[in-house]
Amino acid sequence: AQKVTQAQTEISVVEKEDVTLDCVYETRDTTYYLFWYKQPPSGELVFLIRRNSFDEQNEISGRYSWNFQKSTSSFNFTITASQVVDSAVYFCALSEEKGNQFYFGTGTSLTVIP
Amino acid sequence: ETGVTQSPTHLIKTRGQQVTLRCSSQSGHNTVSWYQQALGQGPQFIFQYYREEENGRGNFPPRFSGLQFPNYSSELNVNALELDDSALYLCASSPSHNYGYTFGSGTRLTVV
Repeated sequence: AQKVTQAQTEISVVEKEDVTLDCVYETRDTTYYLFWYKQPPSGELVFLIRRNSFDEQNEISGRYSWNFQKSTSSFNFTITASQVVDSAVYFCALSEEKGNQFYFGTGTSLTVIP
Repeated sequence: ETGVTQSPTHLIKTRGQQVTLRCSSQSGHNTVSWYQQALGQGPQFIFQYYREEENGRGNFPPRFSGLQFPNYSSELNVNALELDDSALYLCASSPSHNYGYTFGSGTRLTVV
């Protein structure tokens, strides 16, 4: 079963629009960690955020914000006032306390049009 | 911090050949993982090494093997290459699992 689902394959927005990338996860562990990574065309995965399962407080970092809701098993990512430099593929990932691997979603390709 | 560096950046091999990919971990990171990312997909876990010992393996056949050295650099070896092995191979290092990984830019392997 897919542990991390990113239902949005591709999203296009016009610069300065807000955009939300959805992530739904599945785990039976009570302790787990959620991550978002950005993958620009160069290929490397750039770490954006780490959230543990006991911390449901939403987080804001500049134009980025994350909404973690255990009740719906979701960890959504919002970019406010999008910029062309935000164009990339974004991955949501899950790691479980007892495991040693990350489970990645299939990614959402974001294109910001100038 | 020098980050995670991988070599080579691109590689073309023939089916049936063997390949070795290399990774230099970020300073202070004793955990390294390798992932395979097929085109249009998310990365898939191959295996993890912690202090030179394999510490978990994904659903990959034994022809995928690895090593971690005392300086925490790492290798991924793939024997008997198949066309489906064509992918971006990512190395990631971390000071500990679940902390968050620093990824390299990957090696793009093409098998023809």
